[in-house]
Amino acid sequence: EIVLTQSPATLSLSPGERATLSCRASQSVSSYLGWYQQKPGQAPRLLIYDASNRATGIPARFSGSGSGTDFTLTISSLEPEDVAVYYCQQRSKWPLTFGGGTKVEIK
Amino acid sequence: QLQLQESGPGLVKPSETLSLTCTDSGGSISSSSYYWGWIRQPPGKGLEWIGSRFYSGSTYYNPSLKSRVTISVDTSKNQFSLKLSSVTAADTAVYFCARHLVVQGVTYNWFDPWGQGTLVTVSS
Repeated sequence: EIVLTQSPATLSLSPGERATLSCRASQSVSSYLGWYQQKPGQAPRLLIYDASNRATGIPARFSGSGSGTDFTLTISSLEPEDVAVYYCQQRSKWPLTFGGGTKVEIK
Repeated sequence: QLQLQESGPGLVKPSETLSLTCTDSGGSISSSSYYWGWIRQPPGKGLEWIGSRFYSGSTYYNPSLKSRVTISVDTSKNQFSLKLSSVTAADTAVYFCARHLVVQGVTYNWFDPWGQGTLVTVSS
């Protein structure tokens, strides 16, 4: 199965700063990578699919990039409500797999 | 508007079968054109895809669980279900149901939206 490794494990930034989250795949997934946001006590919410497409209703400060094995989720200007764990997921091959998550905190 | 809700026992004994259902108050499960999935999350840990069922009847399961999992759809009841047999403490998790993403009539293997999740504890 394709293993997704996310880094860093925790990211602590001030409001307004730029957040850069990484997801690396154990083999190429082409552009078939997505990102989810999970706030405490809530279900995950799809943010980005197929590497760079924002899901419906997702603010423009969230953007995704990358292809092959290296992907990035960028939050251009961190808001307090962005405190959450962010997961990547690949749909290139069965089984569908998720990364271990990056926790974003506000300083 | 699609609103998914998981339901089922919150406590299951070891070696027994975990059974959960997912219902959509909007009635979309009775539509034959969607794909449906189950994902779980052990307390304090990450997400694990369990399996998905396509409208054609095809099912895809995580190989790590395949021998114990069954996902089915009952359109007459507007629900789809998960059965996981021979459970152990390692199956303790929040279980989420979700629909596969549909964009301009095309279905993708992303999950949106999700139910709120239900905690299932395996303990005697």
